[in-house]
Amino acid sequence: DAGVTQSPTHLIKTRGQQVTLRCSPKSGHDTVSWYQQALGQGPQFIFQYYEEEERQRGNFPDRFSGHQFPNYSSELNVNALLLGDSALYLCASSLETGGGGTDTQYFGPGTRLTVL
Amino acid sequence: GNSVTQMEGPVTLSEEAFLTINCTYTATGYPSLFWYVQYPGEGLQLLLKATKADDKGSNKGFEATYRKETTSFHLEKGSVQVSDSAVYFCALSPRLTNAGKSTFGDGTTLTVKP
Repeated sequence: DAGVTQSPTHLIKTRGQQVTLRCSPKSGHDTVSWYQQALGQGPQFIFQYYEEEERQRGNFPDRFSGHQFPNYSSELNVNALLLGDSALYLCASSLETGGGGTDTQYFGPGTRLTVL
Repeated sequence: GNSVTQMEGPVTLSEEAFLTINCTYTATGYPSLFWYVQYPGEGLQLLLKATKADDKGSNKGFEATYRKETTSFHLEKGSVQVSDSAVYFCALSPRLTNAGKSTFGDGTTLTVKP
């Protein structure tokens, strides 16, 4: 059973550029959440997608956007990159259990984004 | 809002020593509580969880008990191994709603020396 996969593993961009990160959820999972983990800190919730719509959002600017596809895979897009966007971006998948809740989430290995 | 406070690290122990990593939380309602482990260069792995008061989560010799009265979820292991060296994160998520929206502590780095 494949777990959560993310691509690419590493990425280097310059300020002002745009980036797209990809995530494939664990088999059977329908909900994808994205987190930003700065060096030496815990992950910070960016947003969550369910049924191809953004369901919840953390305190991140509109430069951060996402998408979920019919096969439940997801993309995270960041526009107008800043140096402070350098971080490990983690994708987590889970299964909706009804009433807006989900079961335990499983994390992918992350994409390391460096903005120069 | 919700928050998680973890014992500051780094923590360095000798092999077979007893481990405690403290975690306290602030949340409305009755959150689910988690411990995740992150090995160098890898993503987070769920170590254990507890979903209601007095529940004990356990895995690989690690244990943590959901203490509602003290809003704590301390991680313990009776005898650590070198392979336990990693960063440990305490986290919570609201039960039933927004369960995927987790709040994490800043992590505690554990180094176990032979």
